[in-house]
Amino acid sequence: EAGVAQSPRYKIIEKRQSVAFWCNPISGHATLYWYQQILGQGPKLLIQFQNNGVVDDSQLPKDRFSAERLKGVDSTLKIQPAKLEDSAVYLCASSLGQTGGSLYEQYFGPGTRLTVT
Amino acid sequence: QQQVKQSPQSLIVQKGGISIINCAYENTAFDYFPWYQQFPGKGPALLIAIRPDVSEKKEGRFTISFNKSAKQFSLHIMDSQPGDSATYFCAASEWGQNFVFGPGTRLSVLP
Repeated sequence: EAGVAQSPRYKIIEKRQSVAFWCNPISGHATLYWYQQILGQGPKLLIQFQNNGVVDDSQLPKDRFSAERLKGVDSTLKIQPAKLEDSAVYLCASSLGQTGGSLYEQYFGPGTRLTVT
Repeated sequence: QQQVKQSPQSLIVQKGGISIINCAYENTAFDYFPWYQQFPGKGPALLIAIRPDVSEKKEGRFTISFNKSAKQFSLHIMDSQPGDSATYFCAASEWGQNFVFGPGTRLSVLP
């Protein structure tokens, strides 16, 4: 079974530039998550999709971050314009669904390391 | 109230010893408590998870102990090995939403 795919793996941009990350979840997984992990900290949930609908985006800085999952499969996360404090690893995860037990199990991709200079 | 506290920040254990990491939460609506292992340059990987209707769950060398009244849960790694050296995160979720992660514990197992 293929895991969660993310690209690019690394990205370096200057502040005020824009950047986009792509995620392809495990086949059949209805729920997709984007996390931000700053060095030395735990992952912070940015947005959660169930199929192509947003379940939770309460911690997404909507003035600069946006995400979409148009066909309920792969997803993109965009930052525009980037700030220095956006330097972090952006992790994508997927799970089967939300109806309990093992359906909550999240499988993470390798992440995209973003450096904003 | 959404925060999950985790201790210790770092832990050094001899090979064959027991590693214990503790977490505490405030939100009584949390109903799913997973532990993740993360190696440098990799995404977190699920180790073991527990629901609040049981007090203990064991999978191989990994055991979660859960104390609902104290709102605390812990990970025990028995017979710790150098290959277990990684960062461990506890997390909590409410109905598969609102996932909140602890700040992490860096475990080093000495050979």
